[in-house]
Amino acid sequence: EPEVTQTPSHQVTQMGQEVILRCVPISNHLYFYWYRQILGQKVEFLVSFYNNEISEKSEIFDDQFSVERPDGSNFTLKIRSTKLEDSAMYFCASGDGPTNTGELFFGEGSRLTVL
Amino acid sequence: AQSVSQHNHHVILSEAASLELGCNYSYGGTVNLFWYVQYPGQHLQLLLKYFSGDPLVKGIKGFEAEFIKSKFSFNLRKPSVQWSDTAEYFCAVNADSGAGSYQLTFGKGTKLSVIP
Repeated sequence: EPEVTQTPSHQVTQMGQEVILRCVPISNHLYFYWYRQILGQKVEFLVSFYNNEISEKSEIFDDQFSVERPDGSNFTLKIRSTKLEDSAMYFCASGDGPTNTGELFFGEGSRLTVL
Repeated sequence: AQSVSQHNHHVILSEAASLELGCNYSYGGTVNLFWYVQYPGQHLQLLLKYFSGDPLVKGIKGFEAEFIKSKFSFNLRKPSVQWSDTAEYFCAVNADSGAGSYQLTFGKGTKLSVIP
């Protein structure tokens, strides 16, 4: 069964460092998403991406965050200068969008720890 | 904007007990409703979904949920839980935000602990 894969599974970084989280969505999906889950809290929407551009973003997704689909298969989330509060599990998801009534398929997550 | 409320933060049951997890949403338009499960150390997996039609939806592993439009609810049920059902359960709502991206809005999750 096709699945969304994410790397790394766990990254530890120093505050102020740049981090790139990578995702390979399901190959025929057109919509891509990043969500995050701070320990003990709910899963929060960060950003959606379609047709090589951001289609929607939350207030969490400030100028420190960026997304890119550099080569047609990977979908990356970059945090330019990490803060302690960026420590969370980051989930990538992909979906067919309206053609599949919006069901999303999630990766296993990348745990980011900022020290 | 849509929002989702899950009433129970942590539920503890013995094996074979019946389960009902509450979920209410707020959104004025047509929504798609989901229950996702997250087993310890694993990713979110879809349990079941409601798009239209029969409001009683059956999912994997014996779970079902009932959409009651008048109550804006989508409660998850299972007649007899097993130890392997120990996980965190998330209710989610998906509506076209107008940008075509159909973002999911999650509830805070309910942690289920099943005691053997």
